[in-house]
Amino acid sequence: NAGVTQTPKFRILKIGQSMTLQCTQDMNHNYMYWYRQDPGMGLKLIYYSVGAGITDKGEVPNGYNVSRSTTEDFPLRLELAAPSQTSVYFCASSSAPALAGVADTQYFGPGTRLTVL
Amino acid sequence: AQSVTQLDSHVSVSEGTPVLLRCNYSSSYSPSLFWYVQHPNKGLQLLLKYTSAATLVKGINGFEAEFKKSETSFHLTKPSAHMSDAAEYFCVVSGASGSARQLTFGSGTQLTVLP
Repeated sequence: NAGVTQTPKFRILKIGQSMTLQCTQDMNHNYMYWYRQDPGMGLKLIYYSVGAGITDKGEVPNGYNVSRSTTEDFPLRLELAAPSQTSVYFCASSSAPALAGVADTQYFGPGTRLTVL
Repeated sequence: AQSVTQLDSHVSVSEGTPVLLRCNYSSSYSPSLFWYVQHPNKGLQLLLKYTSAATLVKGINGFEAEFKKSETSFHLTKPSAHMSDAAEYFCVVSGASGSARQLTFGSGTQLTVLP
């Protein structure tokens, strides 16, 4: 049982390049999330998904796109990389939403460290 | 709206002494609260969570936290620090907002354990 896996671990992009960060979970979780973590800060939600075919914006969605064609996979796409997108990106999944009173645990992947130069 | 404030960005303790990491929250709802730990170059791992059951919550590795509604606090404690506890700790609040979903993270507390 691998949990949540992310690839690549590290990546350096030039301004204007595009890339896809991959995220896969093998726990059959309906809910999946993408966060970014800037130095010295907590995590901020970029996008989330409540199931295959359904996605929605989080707090900081600009410059990113997502898709959810299967339960297992939730890739994050950067179309035109900018230096402001230099960050560590975490994917997470849960079997239920993190709503008040339904505090389901989110399981996190190891992260992708992205640098845009 | 909801928010989390971790009152200390850095805490240093000696091995074997108690740990206290402070967290205050605000929420329009009865919140659920979490503490996550992040070791260097690793993902986040859940330490414990509060979901409106017992106000004193026990977690992994000897950590516990007490939910105090009157003080809007959810401080994390451990009686005796171990070197392996050195990591970054995040206090997190969840709430309901329309169709959401989301957790709000504090800015983190870096715990250093001195030999």
